[in-house]
Amino acid sequence: DGGITQSPKYLFRKEGQNVTLSCEQNLNHDAMYWYRQDPGQGLRLIYYSQIVNDFQKGDIAEGYSVSREKKESFPLTVTSAQKNPTAFYLCATPLAGANTGELFFGEGSRLTVL
Amino acid sequence: GDSVTQMEGPVTLSEEAFLTINCTYTATGYPSLFWYVQYPGEGLQLLLKATKADDKGSNKGFEATYRKETTSFHLEKGSVQVSDSAVYFCALENTGFQKLVFGTGTRLLVSP
Repeated sequence: DGGITQSPKYLFRKEGQNVTLSCEQNLNHDAMYWYRQDPGQGLRLIYYSQIVNDFQKGDIAEGYSVSREKKESFPLTVTSAQKNPTAFYLCATPLAGANTGELFFGEGSRLTVL
Repeated sequence: GDSVTQMEGPVTLSEEAFLTINCTYTATGYPSLFWYVQYPGEGLQLLLKATKADDKGSNKGFEATYRKETTSFHLEKGSVQVSDSAVYFCALENTGFQKLVFGTGTRLLVSP
């Protein structure tokens, strides 16, 4: 089935460590997005990519990095510079044929910093 | 900048009760408006949308009407079920690059 796969579902990290969250899609879509979800704050955009080898910062990019070397993959690295990394991270891509904010989300990765 | 304001939750209802979750927005121009739903432990799913003033989005018994005069997009359902228990997010898109701006979410709890 077509969709988005995020891994791992749960991740624990010690302070000072970098971690990489995986996002893979088999929908052949150009655009991909990373959002961060915190309790009571809704979702905030971290990075987005409209096409392979190109990506743009979102509203809260500090302490994060991404790459887009392949169309199907958009990994997010949470670096040690991110001051408060514990959160639920969601990857998304536009619904087929959509161009007005209709996004299809993965099931998310929950990162906890110990 | 653009923003979305939702009523705080949780909203607690009995099965078959009427549901309203309020959502208002601030944006320049003519944004598209959305409701997304998140079931426990899952990602978000698009519930419904409206792309211009007076449009009504509907899906699974839920409805919302794009009211430009009141900058609102309230979610309603005539008779909720236990399975509707989830967190509901109102969102807008105003850039053309599908960069959504979300509200803080409203948790709905429906008891039998």
